Amino acid sequence: RKEVEQDPGPFNVPEGATVAFNCTYSNSASQSFFWYRQDCRKEPKLLMSVYSSGNEDGRFTAQLNRASQYISLLIRDSKLSDSATYLCVVNQAGTALIFGKGTTLSVSS
Amino acid sequence: DAGVTQSPTHLIKTRGQQVTLRCSPKSGHDTVSWYQQALGQGPQFIFQYYEEEERQRGNFPDRFSGHQFPNYSSELNVNALWLGDSALYLCASSFGLAGETQYFGPGTRLLVL
Repeated sequence: RKEVEQDPGPFNVPEGATVAFNCTYSNSASQSFFWYRQDCRKEPKLLMSVYSSGNEDGRFTAQLNRASQYISLLIRDSKLSDSATYLCVVNQAGTALIFGKGTTLSVSS
Repeated sequence: DAGVTQSPTHLIKTRGQQVTLRCSPKSGHDTVSWYQQALGQGPQFIFQYYEEEERQRGNFPDRFSGHQFPNYSSELNVNALWLGDSALYLCASSFGLAGETQYFGPGTRLLVL
């Protein structure tokens, strides 16, 4: 079983749609959780950290369920500029970031 | 505020050759981690350097080695290149050994022929 698994995608949605990405992780000792965004042929960039209480940043909402070892990202009112690959990432304090394979989102007009 | 920089941006090598990639961390950061990202995959951790020592290592062979300098910059060396080493090599910097948030450089795209 892979350490971090994500929906395979790709997700093709129209502008204005709401889209949700799911992710599961296998190591219960994981302490930190993130969503990174990666544009084609570019480096990953931190989109947001994920907290147990859930957190929101504009149109983006992230949720963490430690009991189920499940992380989600919700994007509301999708924009063309949201087209990218979204990487689910977990970390034990001071250790390497463990990345999922990524889910590709394509938003069309 | 300078972000993470890497050089070169692109590199073409042949099998059996050796390559050195370079990384300068974000200003104020002292920890450097290296990742390999094959096409269609997420980045995979190679190793992490802090205080000029390798602190952690992923599942990569000894052909992959590194170094960190007193100014916190770092090098990744790969010996005896294989075709399968073709990938985007990413450097990430953070503050302190327990630093959670890592910032990535633009990467070096290596092609092994």
